[in-house]
Amino acid sequence: DAGITQSPRHKVTETGTPVTLRCHQTENHRYMYWYRQDPGHGLRLIHYSYGVKDTDKGEVSDGYSVSRSKTEDFLLTLESATSSQTSVYFCACGGGYNEQFFGPGTRLTVL
Amino acid sequence: AQTVTQSQPEMSVQEAETVTLSCTYDTSESDYYLFWYKQPPSRQMILVIRQEAYKQQNATENRFSVNFQKAAKSFSLKISDSQLGDAAMYFCAYKQNTPLVFGKGTRLSVIA
Repeated sequence: DAGITQSPRHKVTETGTPVTLRCHQTENHRYMYWYRQDPGHGLRLIHYSYGVKDTDKGEVSDGYSVSRSKTEDFLLTLESATSSQTSVYFCACGGGYNEQFFGPGTRLTVL
Repeated sequence: AQTVTQSQPEMSVQEAETVTLSCTYDTSESDYYLFWYKQPPSRQMILVIRQEAYKQQNATENRFSVNFQKAAKSFSLKISDSQLGDAAMYFCAYKQNTPLVFGKGTRLSVIA
C-alpha cells in the first residue's frame, strides 16, 4: 500500500543495542499493527494500537515495546536486541473489522 | 484463541492450469472475515480476496475465487489459468474483533 512506509528498510545491528523501527501512514487509519515474519511461522503479531497512546500486546510481545504519539506514526523498539529478533518486520494499518494493509517490511539482522 | 491452518507447505501448478490452496480455521464466532494474501519475492503483502462470513456467496476476483464452507470452517483459494506471476507465498488469514491471525503459508510454484 502506497500510504504506508517503514524505515529503515534494512538494518544490521549488534546484540545488546537498542533498535527502533518506524511505521508511517498517510491514510488516517485508526488501527496499526506490528508483525514479525519468520520461516515456518507465517506472520505473528507483536503489538498493535487502536488509537493514539492506546496499545496492546500480541502473541510475541516479549522484548518489544511500542509507542504511538500521533495517528500517523507507530514505533517499534527493541530495547536490547538479541539474535532471536532477527526477522522481517511488517507494519500494517486498517479499520476496525476489515482488511489490513501492509507496509513494505524491514529486514533486521542482529549479529 | 483462533487458529488458522494451511496444511500444504508447498504446491506447484502448470502454467494455465488450476490449483486450489487449502485453509481451515478454528473459531466459536459466527461473524468474522477471512482473507487470502499473496507475498511475491518482493516481500510485499498483497490482498488477493476477502470473504465475509455472513455472506453465503463465494467471493471472486478475476482468476481468484474461494470455496467457503462455514460449517466445515474451510476457506480454500482457487487460482484459475495460473500465470508465472502467481508464483508466491500465499497466506490465509482470519479476523473477527482482533488483528489478523495468519496461517503459516503455502509456497506456490508455477511451472512453465
